[in-house]
Amino acid sequence: ILNVEQSPQSLHVQEGDSTNFTCSFPSSNFYALHWYRWETAKSPEALFVMTLNGDEKKKGRISATLNTKEGYSYLYIKGSQPEDSATYLCAPTIRSDKLIFGTGTRLQVFP
Amino acid sequence: DTAVSQTPKYLVTQMGNDKSIKCEQNLGHDTMYWYKQDSKKFLKIMFSYNNKELIINETVPNRFSPKSPDKAHLNLHINSLELGDSAVYFCASSRGRSSYNEQFFGPGTRLTVL
Repeated sequence: ILNVEQSPQSLHVQEGDSTNFTCSFPSSNFYALHWYRWETAKSPEALFVMTLNGDEKKKGRISATLNTKEGYSYLYIKGSQPEDSATYLCAPTIRSDKLIFGTGTRLQVFP
Repeated sequence: DTAVSQTPKYLVTQMGNDKSIKCEQNLGHDTMYWYKQDSKKFLKIMFSYNNKELIINETVPNRFSPKSPDKAHLNLHINSLELGDSAVYFCASSRGRSSYNEQFFGPGTRLTVL
């Protein structure tokens, strides 16, 4: 069983603050790592798919890094806005076609 | 245009009944999935089909049977519903079966078994 840990479980920040969260996973048999953004009452939406050690990806104010040797990925949000409020899920893979989702980090940004 | 759609959105039914949830994607993807969001909010893979062929079949009761009439549709049939089947079920699709492909999720079906 792949143990995926995301921390913190929840986070409350003020508008304009920058924030980051962590996804930890076993580094053996790594294929890819996905980050998804899941707003309340909506569906998860893909942010990034990362495959190589040292990968860095960016989409607007959101960026992510990947360390496959030590088994972690960071997601950063610069200058958080209320519309960034969502649960952020990471999902590494234990084989080439199956994602294992973490429980997510729930972010709330207050105006 | 909805990329991945599911019907119904809500389903309330009695224990022991048989019900189906339908999923359709108009993205031209080859691979489709069913996930269950459990009581702890985990998204857990149940099944995956690639070009109508079953490729992932997790340890779920055999009361759950997926059916893929074509690669744009993946339906989930559940026999003899039990209280513990109450959950939100999400359908998803991806361009191919490789985990390098991002997945696109449907809006979810909230199943309540009374």
